[in-house]
Amino acid sequence: DAKTTQPNSMESNEEEPVHLPCNHSTISGTDYIHWYRQLPSQGPEYVIHGLTSNVNNRMASLAIAEDRKSSTLILHRATLRDAAVYYCILRAANQAGTALIFGKGTTLSVSS
Amino acid sequence: DAGVIQSPRHEVTEMGQEVTLRCKPISGHNSLFWYRQTMMRGLELLIYFNNNVPIDDSGMPEDRFSAKMPNASFSTLKIQPSEPRDSAVYFCASSLKGANVLTFGAGSRLTVL
Repeated sequence: DAKTTQPNSMESNEEEPVHLPCNHSTISGTDYIHWYRQLPSQGPEYVIHGLTSNVNNRMASLAIAEDRKSSTLILHRATLRDAAVYYCILRAANQAGTALIFGKGTTLSVSS
Repeated sequence: DAGVIQSPRHEVTEMGQEVTLRCKPISGHNSLFWYRQTMMRGLELLIYFNNNVPIDDSGMPEDRFSAKMPNASFSTLKIQPSEPRDSAVYFCASSLKGANVLTFGAGSRLTVL
């Protein structure tokens, strides 16, 4: 899997938007961008994934740069429950169903 | 849907003892993954199965670790003999083969004294 780079930590205030960046300059044309998060004392959970176009779901939005060398996970209104480690992972389309390889992720702190 | 079920949630054992961790994947899922998480090494893939067959066990630390999937609804991860450095949280995850989403269990926290 191609490598991703994320900041170690970020801070946010409750009810404010959060933009979590991920750099993946060596991404290939068939690599999907996946985001998972891990709440304290829980297993990782799926957040969102995309290939080229921006994606939205009930949890978050994924904004993908035009050259695909970076992406941003957007939490529109952070809550205390969004405090977690957020992982950005690349996986090739032909590897769907194979394991995900997790990096260190970004630890998001949310203050009230 | 009960999700991925792992047991035990917590286990404390002494060095040298055998440890067996269990996982029940989501019904209908045909890929199963075992991960280990420590502060030092983060989340590491140990092994994964497709249709009950081990596909990649390159992450299994050494011969003391073994994993089996005798049927589509059950998998075990065994450590024999256990050592203090095996202390970690062990996660099981499952997915539909070919799908993009992995669903994780709550984890089994192992402490080896």
